Amino acid sequence: GEDVEQSLFLSVREGDSSVINCTYTDSSSTYLYWYKQEPGAGLQLLTYIFSNMDMKQDQRLTVLLNKKDKHLSLRIADTQTGDSAIYFCAEAGTASKLTFGTGTRLQVTL
Amino acid sequence: DAGVIQSPRHEVTEMGQEVTLRCKPISGHNSLFWYRQTMMRGLELLIYFNNNVPIDDSGMPEDRFSAKMPNASFSTLKIQPSEPRDSAVYFCASQAGWTYEQYFGPGTRLTVT
Repeated sequence: GEDVEQSLFLSVREGDSSVINCTYTDSSSTYLYWYKQEPGAGLQLLTYIFSNMDMKQDQRLTVLLNKKDKHLSLRIADTQTGDSAIYFCAEAGTASKLTFGTGTRLQVTL
Repeated sequence: DAGVIQSPRHEVTEMGQEVTLRCKPISGHNSLFWYRQTMMRGLELLIYFNNNVPIDDSGMPEDRFSAKMPNASFSTLKIQPSEPRDSAVYFCASQAGWTYEQYFGPGTRLTVT
């Protein structure tokens, strides 16, 4: 079945850029997503990219997709303490069925 | 918009009891999803509905789990009988058919003792 992999933890200093990486196995993935989860909360949709795109930028967020390597990344510019959370990568192959990665915990230090 | 609404937010019950989780999707969204989140297994899709019809229930763990969507604005996930291994956070999400954006509710934290 589909598999989505992420590193478990990332620590960055406030003001630096964060890069969270994700790899997936399903070559038929149509859309790839980034969600943010704060403690005790649900998942917040941050952004998503269609598989025929290489890059998408939305304010401080930049998504890069390397379809050949099945690699997705999320860059957060000027990382703030409010960005501390767990970030999930997800892919959708057919219909609306999402497969999530294990999540990357981002810690922002002062 | 109020977003996806789930109730209760927390549920503590004893093994063997019936548990019913409730979800109200965003108005106008025609797809609804139930997920379960645990430390061991991460986020798993249990079942999803399109236009109130169950489309894929392959993620439902076993017959103790059942889900219904009697109308476009309400869905339930029932566990009967509940077991300690069902302890998890259960999320409901909804999506409008013409978009690829799934919006999640705040979740129900279920503890079965």
